[in-house]
Amino acid sequence: DVKVTQSSRYLVKRTGEKVFLECVQDMDHENMFWYRQDPGLGLRLIYFSYDVKMKEKGDIPEGYSVSREKKERFSLILESASTNQTSMYLCASSPSGANEKLFFGSGTQLSVL
Amino acid sequence: AQSVAQPEDQVNVAEGNPLTVKCTYSVSGNPYLFWYVQYPNRGLQFLLKYITGDNLVKGSYGFEAEFNKSQTSFHLKKPSALVSDSALYFCAVRDRTGGGADGLTFGKGTHLIIQP
Repeated sequence: DVKVTQSSRYLVKRTGEKVFLECVQDMDHENMFWYRQDPGLGLRLIYFSYDVKMKEKGDIPEGYSVSREKKERFSLILESASTNQTSMYLCASSPSGANEKLFFGSGTQLSVL
Repeated sequence: AQSVAQPEDQVNVAEGNPLTVKCTYSVSGNPYLFWYVQYPNRGLQFLLKYITGDNLVKGSYGFEAEFNKSQTSFHLKKPSALVSDSALYFCAVRDRTGGGADGLTFGKGTHLIIQP
């Protein structure tokens, strides 16, 4: 089975800190994604990547950046964390192809105090 | 732009009864459609997808979904609900004309509660 691993299950940070969320997939997938999940809002796409060193903005990229130096790893960076970035962050990967499903990690619950 | 609507925040069903979780979509072209389930404190798990062909799609855990192009709907169904089906369900869509690299567009989710 495909495994998507997010490095932290729970994370507590202070306002203004730089935060790194790490995600690793083990199935050689081309595409990787970062979503945030908020109650009543569903999942919203922050950034995605279709190849190493390639990145594209999703629907809500403000306040975030990403890095993909290796195919299996996709990092989400909060340059200066703010309280409105308190959320559940979900990483996903998929093979290339529009009919392919996404495989999700277990999520990181980030609290910014 | 593509979008998904899940009109019910919560659906309550008695155990053993049939269940339906509603989903409608909007895309400029033809859609690929997906259902995912999320159990508490877990990531999303894939249930089923519609690609082409038969409008009735069967998936994991006895779930199925019916694609209706004229009504732009993709409702999730199960003939007999189990208490263990209680979870948060997400419908998602992607336009076929895209390459897939831009992810899926998700609905806001529906809480399904199965009462013993």
